[in-house]
Amino acid sequence: DAGVIQSPRHEVTEMGQEVTLRCKPISGHDYLFWYRQTMMRGLELLIYFNNNVPIDDSGMPEDRFSAKMPNASFSTLKIQPSEPRDSAVYFCASGIQGALTEAFFGQGTRLTVV
Amino acid sequence: QQQVKQSPQSLIVQKGGISIINCAYENTAFDYFPWYQQFPGKGPALLIAIRPDVSEKKEGRFTISFNKSAKQFSLHIMDSQPGDSATYFCAASQGGSEKLVFGKGTKLTVNP
Repeated sequence: DAGVIQSPRHEVTEMGQEVTLRCKPISGHDYLFWYRQTMMRGLELLIYFNNNVPIDDSGMPEDRFSAKMPNASFSTLKIQPSEPRDSAVYFCASGIQGALTEAFFGQGTRLTVV
Repeated sequence: QQQVKQSPQSLIVQKGGISIINCAYENTAFDYFPWYQQFPGKGPALLIAIRPDVSEKKEGRFTISFNKSAKQFSLHIMDSQPGDSATYFCAASQGGSEKLVFGKGTKLTVNP
């Protein structure tokens, strides 16, 4: 398996624009997590899904952020409108029910909002 | 509120030395404590993990020490190598929960 695949790897956008980050989890994994990493706040869990259903979105910073998982092999994190303070590295991770001792992370998307 | 406090923020060690990173937590319901290793441009990857029924776990040069009464745990890297240079994150989760709470990370540099 190629692991968790995220796209794009880098995104530069202007303030106010819509940004969509994409994630393909490892096949067979039934949990999917979205994290945000910044120097100031470290790794923060934004939202996670189980069997494509959002379980906990308490980490989503505000209504400008939304996440979907239309099927077991694809998820998106959308920011609309984007702001400079959204600049961060966004990670997607996946895991297996009953073996959540390990979360497998993608390589991340570095988002810069100018 | 930071649930897992990690120190130091950065650490420089000579090749062959011992690297020690410390974490402390408040939530006594936490029962799983992993350490993740992250190289530049990569996502974090599980390095080693411990549950509170043991006080120490060793895997190769990496050892976790766990002190339940003090609510602290630490990562020791013996015979540190330049290839160990990375950012290390401690984390914790609560039984029955899939949520990992991460520390803010320690950037380790091992000089040759």
